[in-house]
Amino acid sequence: EIVLTQSPGTLSLSPGERATLSCRASQSVSSSYLAWYQQKPGQAPRLLIYGASSRATGIPDRFSGSGSGTDFTLTISRLEPEDFAVYYCQQYDNSPELTFGGGTKVEIK
Amino acid sequence: EVQLLESGGGLVQPGGSLRLSCAVSGFTFSSYAMSWVRQAPGKGLEWVSGISGSGSSTYYADSVKGRFTISRDNSKNTLYMQMNSLRAEDTAVYYCAKKSGGWYYTYFDYWGQGTLVSVSS
Repeated sequence: EIVLTQSPGTLSLSPGERATLSCRASQSVSSSYLAWYQQKPGQAPRLLIYGASSRATGIPDRFSGSGSGTDFTLTISRLEPEDFAVYYCQQYDNSPELTFGGGTKVEIK
Repeated sequence: EVQLLESGGGLVQPGGSLRLSCAVSGFTFSSYAMSWVRQAPGKGLEWVSGISGSGSSTYYADSVKGRFTISRDNSKNTLYMQMNSLRAEDTAVYYCAKKSGGWYYTYFDYWGQGTLVSVSS
């Protein structure tokens, strides 16, 4: 099983600042089969990024993903008020089992 | 518009059973693998089970293997999860999620709003 470790656990930032979220895999994720999801309180997760760097339909370009192998990053270039949420990475390489990271909460400083 | 609507959650005693349903619309159901993902209160996301578009292949997390059974009725555009021998640690919001293609090497592109399962005496 591929274990995904997200850091930091909580990120305290102000609107307008840049957010950098990390997701590290216990073994290489081939072909960048990694996705990022956003979840707001009381809501279902929403797909942001797939294939490590491709934005899902309707996702603003302030969200970007990068990385390969075992190290992946989600960057929010300038935080908007609606971006404060919990973010999860997920690998879909080691099928059939799928795994999620533990999440990073981006909170208002 | 893609829509996934879960139902069937509720309060059940340890050792009991529950059947979740997920009615979908807005896409050709049989062409896509589907999955259940759960979230315990205040915790992260945990993949539970998955099924191929035809229903011929099913997949389970070790934590539910032998207790939960995933199935689908493509004529009714509905995904199911039969949950037996429920434990307190199965308490969670259960989300139905659509995969972007077949089971392998695809991500979750749409999610339902979830249904709460509480296991307690």
